[in-house]
Amino acid sequence: GENVEQHPSTLSVQEGDSAVIKCTYSDSASNYFPWYKQELGKRPQLIIDIRSNVGEKKDQRIAVTLNKTAKHFSLHITETQPEDSAVYFCAASSPGGYSTLTFGKGTMLLVSP
Amino acid sequence: DAGVIQSPRHEVTEMGQEVTLRCKPISGHDYLFWYRQTMMRGLELLIYFNNNVPIDDSGMPEDRFSAKMPNASFSTLKIQPSEPRDSAVYFCASSLRGGQAYEQYFGPGTRLTVT
Repeated sequence: GENVEQHPSTLSVQEGDSAVIKCTYSDSASNYFPWYKQELGKRPQLIIDIRSNVGEKKDQRIAVTLNKTAKHFSLHITETQPEDSAVYFCAASSPGGYSTLTFGKGTMLLVSP
Repeated sequence: DAGVIQSPRHEVTEMGQEVTLRCKPISGHDYLFWYRQTMMRGLELLIYFNNNVPIDDSGMPEDRFSAKMPNASFSTLKIQPSEPRDSAVYFCASSLRGGQAYEQYFGPGTRLTVT
């Protein structure tokens, strides 16, 4: 089955800096790559996603890039703010037509004022 | 819509007891997923349903775990008997038109503690 690796496991930045989280996946047939943000004690919530026919997608301060050849995708957060502090999960869809997701282990992002 | 609803939000039970977790998906969604989240193993998919039918339960850890979806608006995850290693946060999620890999909406989770 699909395997998703996520790095780093923790990331500390100063407010205003950029943050980058990287994920790799194993199955070249995967075609959907969402990113979820989970604040402490809360549910995971989708913040951005990308499909395999697109190389990059932006939404205000966040962007995701996808390299299908290398089978990796990244989350970029610019001008980080303390409220960006959370655990971020990448995921990849399973092939075969169903929307099951395989999640990475998560990255704890800490943004210091 | 109120989103995915789960109950209870917290459950503390003793080893050997039966535990039932409940989920109400978003109305109209045709896929329902049960996940378990722990620090060690992250988010694990336990089982998922399409149109109330279980599709893949390969993530269910043992026979002690069972899940049902008697209708489109209700699902249960049961653990019998419970063990301390079952302590985790259990999330239910739902999505629409799963074949196109649409967004999964998570419920608030049930924090289970087995002593």
